[in-house]
Amino acid sequence: DSGVTQTPKHLITATGQRVTLRCSPRSGDLSVYWYQQSLDQGLQFLIQYYNGEERAKGNILERFSAQQFPDLHSELNLSSLELGDSALYFCASSLTSGRAGGELFFGEGSRLTVL
Amino acid sequence: AQTVTQSQPEMSVQEAETVTLSCTYDTSENNYYLFWYKQPPSRQMILVIRQEAYKQQNATENRFSVNFQKAAKSFSLKISDSQLGDTAMYFCAFPNNAGNMLTFGGGTRLMVKP
Repeated sequence: DSGVTQTPKHLITATGQRVTLRCSPRSGDLSVYWYQQSLDQGLQFLIQYYNGEERAKGNILERFSAQQFPDLHSELNLSSLELGDSALYFCASSLTSGRAGGELFFGEGSRLTVL
Repeated sequence: AQTVTQSQPEMSVQEAETVTLSCTYDTSENNYYLFWYKQPPSRQMILVIRQEAYKQQNATENRFSVNFQKAAKSFSLKISDSQLGDTAMYFCAFPNNAGNMLTFGGGTRLMVKP
């Protein structure tokens, strides 16, 4: 158990809909990262928050947004869903950065299926 | 842009044997960390081993070790005495300059056969 909690584990929805994925980081970790894992794109970094502030943005679509709340949990909002958004969405947290050798602790992921 | 390349999409090994997974990367940095992550069928990503570029000694964690060749920008993972539980996807990862994102390779699917 990594200590990172993601909900829901599975989600099936229709095109055009909006969903929210939730992540609670490990106790004490201030950084939260969101990654998308799809068959054709592999693991792609979406966005990072540190103590409530956005720190880095990767290949995140404009239809997607995220935020980190004062209690440090984070939500990833996906709107106007398309078939291609079907993927496994990971949340990870860390105490220090990768540059300092910091390990990312991953949740079990949220499997999103768009029909 | 940083790139991380894993040239072996799939590999298999017999139980108790040794297997080496390859990874190459591209960077102009001098000091950095490299990581290998494992994703078993349960799908959770788990850190296997990390290597600091400044250290000449290759990192070792029990049955897992790396062969780090800085000049060649190569970072391979060796699994000794392979076990059935080692069956998983393995990803090599490299952090960006700010350390706030990891670039992952495409992964190698390893099957350990009994």
